Amino acid sequence: NAGVTQTPKFQVLKTGQSMTLQCAQDMNHEYMSWYRQDPGMGLRLIHYSVGAGITDQGEVPNGYNVSRSTTEDFPLRLLSAAPSQTSVYFCASSPRDTVGNQPQHFGDGTRLSIL
Amino acid sequence: ILNVEQSPQSLHVQEGDSTNFTCSFPSSNFYALHWYRWETAKSPEALFVMTLNGDEKKKGRISATLNTKEGYSYLYIKGSQPEDSATYLCAFGGTSYGKLTFGQGTILTVHP
Repeated sequence: NAGVTQTPKFQVLKTGQSMTLQCAQDMNHEYMSWYRQDPGMGLRLIHYSVGAGITDQGEVPNGYNVSRSTTEDFPLRLLSAAPSQTSVYFCASSPRDTVGNQPQHFGDGTRLSIL
Repeated sequence: ILNVEQSPQSLHVQEGDSTNFTCSFPSSNFYALHWYRWETAKSPEALFVMTLNGDEKKKGRISATLNTKEGYSYLYIKGSQPEDSATYLCAFGGTSYGKLTFGQGTILTVHP
C-alpha cells in the first residue's frame, strides 16, 4: 500500500525557476493538504483541497499554486522560486469526516533548496 | 492566524523518566485536536485524534487528555525509552474538513 507519494525527494533550483512538486495518494481520500516545514515553526499550511476541483488557501499561500483535477493527485507549483521558499514540503491526505476526527497521512517530504 | 502553542520547545529526560508536554489552542470553533509523532528523517505519524471535551486516549505508554473549554491538551509518556525520542506535534482542527493548524512541536530526547 503506497499511501501518500511525493516526488521528487530532493530538488535544487535557481531563483526565478518554476517547478511542480507532485503528490499522489491511493487511499481515495477527499482531503489533501500541502505544508512547509521550517526550523522552529512547525508545519504551516500552504494550500488545501476538500475534493476534486476544490482548493483553498492556507496560512502561507503566496508564491504557490495548486490544482486538484483528480481525487488522487494534488500538485504544488512554485511559480518563480525565491530563496525564502527553501524548505521541506509535506503533502498529507485524510478521508472525509463530518466531525474532523480523521488523522492525516503524510508523504515522506520534498527537500527543496533555492539558490 | 490561529495560535497553537506547544511547551516546552525541547525536553531532555533520562530513560525511565515519565514526562509530559502541553498544547494550547483556541477554545472556540473546536472540531478536533491531533497529536503526531515525528521522527528525524521520517514523516509525521498520527498518535491520537480527540474531539470531545474530557477525552482521554492511550496507546501503550503514551496517553493524552483534552480540555476544550480552556483550550489545552496534555501528552504523557510513561517510562520514556530512547526510541521515544522524536518531535511531538499537536494540531488544532477548527473546521470539519481536515484543515489543521500545527504547533511548533516539542522535541523530546531520551538519554540511555
